[in-house]
Amino acid sequence: EPEVTQTPSHQVTQMGQEVILRCVPISNHLYFYWYRQILGQKVEFLVSFYNNEISEKSEIFDDQFSVERPDGSNFTLKIRSTKLEDSAMYFCASILGQGAADTQYFGPGTRLTVL
Amino acid sequence: SQKIEQNSEALNIQEGKTATLTCNYTNYSPAYLQWYRQDPGRGPVFLLLIRENEKEKRKERLKVTFDTTLKQSLFHITASQPADSATYLCALEGGDMRFGAGTRLTVKP
Repeated sequence: EPEVTQTPSHQVTQMGQEVILRCVPISNHLYFYWYRQILGQKVEFLVSFYNNEISEKSEIFDDQFSVERPDGSNFTLKIRSTKLEDSAMYFCASILGQGAADTQYFGPGTRLTVL
Repeated sequence: SQKIEQNSEALNIQEGKTATLTCNYTNYSPAYLQWYRQDPGRGPVFLLLIRENEKEKRKERLKVTFDTTLKQSLFHITASQPADSATYLCALEGGDMRFGAGTRLTVKP
């Protein structure tokens, strides 16, 4: 069964450094998402992406964050200058098309630790 | 402001019993509501979606109800098994996808 993959599974970085989290959505899917989950807290929406542009973004997704689909398969989340509070699990998700019946498929996540 | 509340942080039940989890929301008019399962350290896994014009949806041992007047969804697992132990999340679509904090279900043998 097709699945969303994410790399790396765990990223450790120093505060102030840039990180890029990578995702490969399911190949024929059209809508892509990033979420984060701070340890012990709820899953929080960051951004949705369709047709090579951001569709929606939350208040968390500030100027430090950016997303890109550099080729036909990868979908990346960049954090420009990491802060301690960016430490969290980051999940990528994709859906086939927008509609009430569409299932969102989540990747396994990247655990980001900012020291 | 918009809120999604899941009734309890944790629910413990005996194997074979029915687990009932609650999701309440305010200041939303969602077209649909979804339920997910999340195991520790893993991403959420989609279970069921129910539309605003549907009262009830079933899938094997799972049943979801959706009351748009009460602004509430109930999620039932019948004949629960220890393997059902996980955190269950409700999620609403309102421009973006918002999740509740989840209810951690433990099914004891």
